[in-house]
Amino acid sequence: DTGVSQDPRHKITKRGQNVTFRCDPISEHNRLYWYRQTLGQGPEFLTYFQNEAQLEKSRLLSDRFSAERPKGSFSTLEIQRTEQGDSAMYLCAGFPTGVAEAFFGQGTRLTVV
Amino acid sequence: TQLLEQSPQFLSIQEGENLTVYCNSSSVFSSLQWYRQEPGEGPVLLVTVVTGGEVKKLKRLTFQFGDARKDSSLHITAAQPGDTGLYLCAVALEWGAQKLVFGQGTRLTINP
Repeated sequence: DTGVSQDPRHKITKRGQNVTFRCDPISEHNRLYWYRQTLGQGPEFLTYFQNEAQLEKSRLLSDRFSAERPKGSFSTLEIQRTEQGDSAMYLCAGFPTGVAEAFFGQGTRLTVV
Repeated sequence: TQLLEQSPQFLSIQEGENLTVYCNSSSVFSSLQWYRQEPGEGPVLLVTVVTGGEVKKLKRLTFQFGDARKDSSLHITAAQPGDTGLYLCAVALEWGAQKLVFGQGTRLTINP
């Protein structure tokens, strides 16, 4: 148990619908990362937060994606107008200060039908 | 082109056999990590190697960082069904503030 929890674990949605995922890191994780993993691939970086500030976004993060981390605690990732290509595992990872180890949550598997 | 190339992509062997998987790149890295990911779960860190030529052991798993810090290998001795999973190598790009870049992984299946 890494202490990072994600909700929901699975989400099936119809194309065009909006979805929101939540990540709860432990309090020591001042840096929080979102990754996307498609079948047969390693995780790909989407965005990251240092406390409540979003410091970097990948080109993978289209305008339909938005992430927040209010108060520097939990984070949400919203996808608007979902497309079939958004189907993937969305992973959240926390990094404690000064530690190069990523603590991943169990992920949210999104299926867009 | 992937920054990290892992091989083989798939490996299925019998319990008790030995195996080696590889993570290669043309770039030099200050450190490299290996993660294991089980189905439906997030990756879990196994080891971080930082020095060229470094060898680290974790029970039956032996990790080596290449002398030039461009590649790494993972050797498993007497594989067990519990070793089944996706093995990922990853590097933190210095300009990315610990942002990890992953290889595509080696999916390992150990058959009883």
